[in-house]
Amino acid sequence: GQNIDQPTEMTATEGAIVQINCTYQTSGFNGLFWYQQHAGEAPTFLSYNVLDGLEEKGRFSSFLSRSKGYSYLLLKELQMKDSASYLCAVRDGRTDSWGKLQFGAGTQVVVTP
Amino acid sequence: DVKVTQSSRYLVKRTGEKVFLECVQDMDHENMFWYRQDPGLGLRLIYFSYDVKMKEKGDIPEGYSVSREKKERFSLILESASTNQTSMYLCATLTGTNYGYTFGSGTRLTVV
Repeated sequence: GQNIDQPTEMTATEGAIVQINCTYQTSGFNGLFWYQQHAGEAPTFLSYNVLDGLEEKGRFSSFLSRSKGYSYLLLKELQMKDSASYLCAVRDGRTDSWGKLQFGAGTQVVVTP
Repeated sequence: DVKVTQSSRYLVKRTGEKVFLECVQDMDHENMFWYRQDPGLGLRLIYFSYDVKMKEKGDIPEGYSVSREKKERFSLILESASTNQTSMYLCATLTGTNYGYTFGSGTRLTVV
């Protein structure tokens, strides 16, 4: 199975940078996803990493190190609307897994003025 | 855009009732999933389906069953609702290799 750890909560000021770490232990790995979830809403896709390195997409970047079982999501130039929960998810790479994802508990990011 | 629709946003049911949660997708995706989301525990997989009439247990299937009679519809059934099944239920489809899931808007179920 998978064991996915991420911090419970982080607070940062508008305009600042926040880095959300995610570590995982897995019996099969075929990609790591980050989702954003605002309160009371469904998660929405942010990023996908399957190879080592950094993927940049506007103000958001995601990094993966497969050998270390480690990823981070970097949020730059924070805005109030970035206040949300950020979910780290790992895709099971075994052939009978049918693409299912295992999720961490989520990191609540609070952006203050 | 893929649309995943869950029929109810909020439901209140009594202990012992049989509860049906419906999920419909409009993009002919084969793989569909049911998760529940609880504070501090994150999303936990209940059941998933990779084709019509096919189903597989997830990590916490006890107390639940599913039905997939048509490709676009995946139903979660609580055979006899209990208070510990009070939760947010999220349906998802596998949208693509690089995107993972598209989620429905969720059903917040309260069992009293």
